[in-house]
Amino acid sequence: ETGVTQSPTHLIKTRGQQVTLRCSSQSGHNTVSWYQQALGQGPQFIFQYYREEENGRGNFPPRFSGLQFPNYSSELNVNALELDDSALYLCASSLMTGDYEQYFGPGTRLTVT
Amino acid sequence: DQQVKQNSPSLSVQEGRISILNCDYTNSMFDYFLWYKKYPAEGPTFLISISSIKDKNEDGRFTVFLNKSAKHLSLHIVPSQPGDSAVYFCAASLQGAQKLVFGQGTRLTINP
Repeated sequence: ETGVTQSPTHLIKTRGQQVTLRCSSQSGHNTVSWYQQALGQGPQFIFQYYREEENGRGNFPPRFSGLQFPNYSSELNVNALELDDSALYLCASSLMTGDYEQYFGPGTRLTVT
Repeated sequence: DQQVKQNSPSLSVQEGRISILNCDYTNSMFDYFLWYKKYPAEGPTFLISISSIKDKNEDGRFTVFLNKSAKHLSLHIVPSQPGDSAVYFCAASLQGAQKLVFGQGTRLTINP
């Protein structure tokens, strides 16, 4: 059984640029959630995708957007990067929406300079 | 508004002794609670969970206790082992909600 994978591992971008992060969900899981973890904090929910549709969103501005593909992999896109967007971005998959237990990937460390 | 709080940023315990990690929450509608463990450069790993209809759940060396009246849960690790050294997050969820609400984490260090 393949776990959740994310790419890239690390990324450095300049303020104002755009970034795309990628996630492959665990085999058999059709729901993907994205979280932002700032230094010294717990993960914060960005949004969730189920069957290629956004299925819940946290308190993040519209410049954070996502996609889910038919194979259940997912992308997180962030436009007009700000310095405060520097964080670890975590992808989590679950067997179906409404499942409490989510399984996390290793994350992508984004640094905005 | 921090709905889930872990007030101890760090905890140091001797190997073989009991580790107790605490978590408080404010939203009485939360109906499911989870503990995750995180090593450096890895994502959080699910450890153990408890439904709000229970007050205790046990899995090997790990036991989670839930006190709904106090809005408090705790994770007990007995006996503590060096491999338990990690950051522990508690998380809570609402039925039908998509998100997990996490605490800030507690760094547990097990000393030989």
